[in-house]
Amino acid sequence: QKEVEQNSGPLSVPEGAIASLNCTYSDRVSQSFFWYRQYSGKSPELIMSIYSNGDKEDGRFTAQLNKASQYVSLLIRDSQPSDSATYLCAVAPFGNEKLTFGTGTRLTIIP
Amino acid sequence: GAGVSQTPSNKVTEKGKYVELRCDPISGHTALYWYRQSLGQGPEFLIYFQGTGAADDSGLPNDRFFAVRPEGSVSTLKIQRTERGDSAVYLCASSLGANTGELFFGEGSRLTVL
Repeated sequence: QKEVEQNSGPLSVPEGAIASLNCTYSDRVSQSFFWYRQYSGKSPELIMSIYSNGDKEDGRFTAQLNKASQYVSLLIRDSQPSDSATYLCAVAPFGNEKLTFGTGTRLTIIP
Repeated sequence: GAGVSQTPSNKVTEKGKYVELRCDPISGHTALYWYRQSLGQGPEFLIYFQGTGAADDSGLPNDRFFAVRPEGSVSTLKIQRTERGDSAVYLCASSLGANTGELFFGEGSRLTVL
């Protein structure tokens, strides 16, 4: 079993709709959770971090964490064509900088 | 510079050759990371420096891979006796320090081993 699992997609969402991206992780000691966005041919960039159970909102993005279910999600509201990218889920134990990434979900926003 | 700088951006070499990849982190960032990304995969952790020392090198695949950061700034990833399976994009990232999880990545060095 992979440490961090994501559906590789592609996930196609109409412009203006909500995109929902999911991630599960296997290591129960994981304490820090991150979503990175990676445009084709570019390097990853951090868009959200979450450390506590529940929701965390930042603009059009909402990260959701459920440690009991070992599940992290990212919602993108009012999806825009510029949101088309691969979204990488990453986890780390508390106090450890070693991020473990999933394989990423490729998201396409259809105009 | 404003961001993490990596050189070369592209490197083509022959099987068995030695390569060096360089990373210049964001000024003031004490933590530096090397990751490797193959097509269709997420970044794979190789090594992490806090200052000059390697805090965690558990991701280095074998003893052909070695990394240094002698003055706590620029880092060099060294690969000996390259193999075709080493072909990938090697990503360097830096962060302000411990426990942030906010990594700033460079644009990567694409290594192709023929």
